[in-house]
Amino acid sequence: AQSVTQLGSHVSVSEGALVLLRCNYSSSVPPYLFWYVQYPNQGLQLLLKYTSAATLVKGINGFEAEFKKSETSFHLTKPSAHMSDAAEYFCAVSLSGGSNYKLTFGKGTLLTVNP
Amino acid sequence: KAGVTQTPRYLIKTRGQQVTLSCSPISGHRSVSWYQQTPGQGLQFLFEYFSETQRNKGNFPGRFSGRQFSNSRSEMNVSTLELGDSALYLCASSRQGAQTEAFFGQGTRLTVV
Repeated sequence: AQSVTQLGSHVSVSEGALVLLRCNYSSSVPPYLFWYVQYPNQGLQLLLKYTSAATLVKGINGFEAEFKKSETSFHLTKPSAHMSDAAEYFCAVSLSGGSNYKLTFGKGTLLTVNP
Repeated sequence: KAGVTQTPRYLIKTRGQQVTLSCSPISGHRSVSWYQQTPGQGLQFLFEYFSETQRNKGNFPGRFSGRQFSNSRSEMNVSTLELGDSALYLCASSRQGAQTEAFFGQGTRLTVV
């Protein structure tokens, strides 16, 4: 079984400030981890994914995330927030084997960027 | 390369009716998954199909069903609609399943009145 916890349902930052969105996972086997972004009335867009290669993963739009097995975390960061980053962000986990075939999502974190 | 296409984008149905939603995956993708998104429950997995076979099903009542055709297009059906079925229904396609990169459609917004 797997689960995802996103700490903070709402994060507010100033334009140009560091963005840090937290994600902790629980998985009985090595996980695959993903971050998705959702803009209003849109589907989900993949930002980045961890699939057991490098622990520091770089994604689109300047985002990156670090897989820390000892902390069971996969936090999303961006050095400098832009107004266009305002959206809802979802962390998701999938199991690396067996017949799981599904993504389990966290509850999401709404990012607000203030001018 | 065309993305995942979901039709229709918006639907309004009356309680007790049934509804069918359609999803056309990216060309070459054989896995199609469906998710329900609501403000209260978030994103919940409904089911996944690969080469016309359902490989996994989420914890939803039997009123929710789906199928996949030989061209990988998928449909989901909800019978005897309830007010609580109002949600954004998202379809995702991938080459092999959730472990590979999943691409989402824009969703179908279903409102049950």
